[in-house]
Amino acid sequence: NAGVTQTPKFQVLKTGQSMTLQCAQDMNHEYMSWYRQDPGMGLRLIHYSVGAGITDQGEVPNGYNVSRSTTEDFPLRLLSAAPSQTSVYFCASSYYRQGQAFFGQGTRLTVV
Amino acid sequence: DAKTTQPPSMDCAEGRAANLPCNHSTISGNEYVYWYRQIHSQGPQYIIHGLKNNETNEMASLIITEDRKSSTLILPHATLRDTAVYYCIVFFVGAGSYQLTFGKGTKLSVIP
Repeated sequence: NAGVTQTPKFQVLKTGQSMTLQCAQDMNHEYMSWYRQDPGMGLRLIHYSVGAGITDQGEVPNGYNVSRSTTEDFPLRLLSAAPSQTSVYFCASSYYRQGQAFFGQGTRLTVV
Repeated sequence: DAKTTQPPSMDCAEGRAANLPCNHSTISGNEYVYWYRQIHSQGPQYIIHGLKNNETNEMASLIITEDRKSSTLILPHATLRDTAVYYCIVFFVGAGSYQLTFGKGTKLSVIP
């Protein structure tokens, strides 16, 4: 039981490049979400999904796309990276309507 | 949405109880109090939650005042590994509840 797995752990991108942050969970959780955390700040919700085929925007969705084709996976795509997207990204999963979430270890992204 | 107020930082001597306060004066009847912690930029870790009764698990105790306007997380015997940022979150368990709203939390430093 691996929990929530995020890859990669570290990434450096050039401005304008695209990439996908991977997130997988093996707990059969319906709900998955992506957060970003900037220095000295709390986590802010980017996108979330309540099940396969269903996604919605969170607090800071601009510049990011998501899809949920399976229960296990919830990738986050940066279409054209910008320095403002330099941050630590966390993926989380939980059972539907449950506040007890499990978080991955994060992806530290730097855009230069 | 109900919001929480926490002190930005606290110190605690190793082996002593750490008492972390949280104010949530606008909490509504169907909102729970959740506590998470984040150790050195790792993913947040769930600690405990409660509605109106006091709760205890292997990690901590949660004391909620009778009027539910505030709560205290108690780590009974703090160790150096408990040094972390602790987040108090009010969460509505029901339809449309998807977001854990993280503030800046309390940075707890456990001192040898």
